[in-house]
Amino acid sequence: NAGVTQTPKFQVLKTGQSMTLQCAQDMNHNSMYWYRQDPGMGLRLIYYSASEGTTDKGEVPNGYNVSRLNKREFSLRLESAAPSQTSVYFCASSGSGGTGANVLTFGAGSRLTVL
Amino acid sequence: AQSVTQPDIHITVSEGASLELRCNYSYGATPYLFWYVQSPGQGLQLLLKYFSGDTLVQGIKGFEAEFKRSQSSFNLRKPSVHWSDAAEYFCAVDDNFNKFYFGSGTKLNVKP
Repeated sequence: NAGVTQTPKFQVLKTGQSMTLQCAQDMNHNSMYWYRQDPGMGLRLIYYSASEGTTDKGEVPNGYNVSRLNKREFSLRLESAAPSQTSVYFCASSGSGGTGANVLTFGAGSRLTVL
Repeated sequence: AQSVTQPDIHITVSEGASLELRCNYSYGATPYLFWYVQSPGQGLQLLLKYFSGDTLVQGIKGFEAEFKRSQSSFNLRKPSVHWSDAAEYFCAVDDNFNKFYFGSGTKLNVKP
């Protein structure tokens, strides 16, 4: 099925380890996003990419890096994981609507635990 | 910066009762407005969206929302709740620059 695919679904890390969350969309969307979801805090934007070749910080970028590899793929990297980065991570993408507004399509989420 | 407030963290309603979930936003202009639903362990699904025009918008699963500019609100409603509506609901805004901001969510419990 068309949509947003993110991997892995689950990951346990030790403090200081690094890892990359992968995301790919097959809807030919220009914009892609990484959010984290924590209880009682909703979804907070980490980084986004308005188009291939561009990335920008969101609300909570510290401790993360991103790469927009091509139009389809947008990865999120934790260089040195910390317990505060324990969260559920969602990748999303958006295309251009008829009225110019966009609608987010989400992946299924990746649950990361940092010990 | 934009902000979205959902003042109710938890709401419990009886099956068949009506529902209203509140959402207020802070933004200089009129943003694009959305409601998403998240079932336990799942991703987020779009319920409805408001871009412009008619301030009462219809969505999937029998939900509707009303945009009130004077109150900076975009409340979600359903006339009769079903047990399957138990989930977490998120209000979101697009600041017209492809950046989306979410509220903290409202968890809906449905009593039999």
